[in-house]
Amino acid sequence: KAGVTQTPRYLIKTRGQQVTLSCSPISGHRSVSWYQQTPGQGLQFLFEYFSETQRNKGNFPGRFSGRQFSNSRSEMNVSTLELGDSALYLCASSLNRGAGTGETQYFGPGTRLLVL
Amino acid sequence: GENVEQHPSTLSVQEGDSAVIKCTYSDSASNYFPWYKQELGKGPQLIIDIRSNVGEKKDQRIAVTLNKTAKHFSLHITETQPEDSAVYFCSVTTQGGSEKLVFGKGTKLTVNP
Repeated sequence: KAGVTQTPRYLIKTRGQQVTLSCSPISGHRSVSWYQQTPGQGLQFLFEYFSETQRNKGNFPGRFSGRQFSNSRSEMNVSTLELGDSALYLCASSLNRGAGTGETQYFGPGTRLLVL
Repeated sequence: GENVEQHPSTLSVQEGDSAVIKCTYSDSASNYFPWYKQELGKGPQLIIDIRSNVGEKKDQRIAVTLNKTAKHFSLHITETQPEDSAVYFCSVTTQGGSEKLVFGKGTKLTVNP
C-alpha cells in the first residue's frame, strides 16, 4: 500500500505570495492532519480534516487554511507569506478518528518551503 | 494547553550501548503516547506507542515506559546500531475539545561505530 504523498517536495516563494501544498493520504484513510516543523518551534499542529470538515485547529493565524476533498486528498494554503513561514510542512493520515484519539498516524515526507 | 518537555536534546552513544530519552507532560487526562523517529529528509515514522492503561511496552530493542502518576514516559533503545541515528520525538494526545498530538522538541541521537 502506498504511503502518504506530498507535492511539491520543495518550494521557493517570496514574501507576500501565496502557496498551496497538496497531500494524498494512504488509501482508505479519511483523516488528514497538517503540521509545521521548524528548528525553533519543532512540530506544531496546524489543523485536521475528516470527511471534508475541519475537525481541529492549532494556534496559527488565519493566513493558514486548508481543505479536504471527497477522495480524502487535502490541500493547505498559506497567503501573504512571511519569512517566518519557511518550514517543513508535514501531512499525516490516519484511518478515521485522528491521532488525537489514539489512532496511529502516518506521516508523509513533507514539503520544504523557503520564503525569501 | 498541553506542554511536553523532552530531554536530552542531543545524545551520543557508542554502538552497542543503550540510549534513554525522557519526556514529561502536563495534562493528566492524556492517554496516548507515541514515539516517532525522523531520519534526514524524511517524515516522522511511528516506532512505538503506549496507552495509559499500560506501564511498559517492548518491541525488540525498543521499549517505552509510562508513569502516569509522575506524568513522564521514556524511550529505551538497547544494543544501539548506527542506523538508529536520527531525531526522536515523543508526543502526547491532548483532550477536552481539541484532540491533537503535541510533540516534544526532539532528541538527536548519534550512534558512533
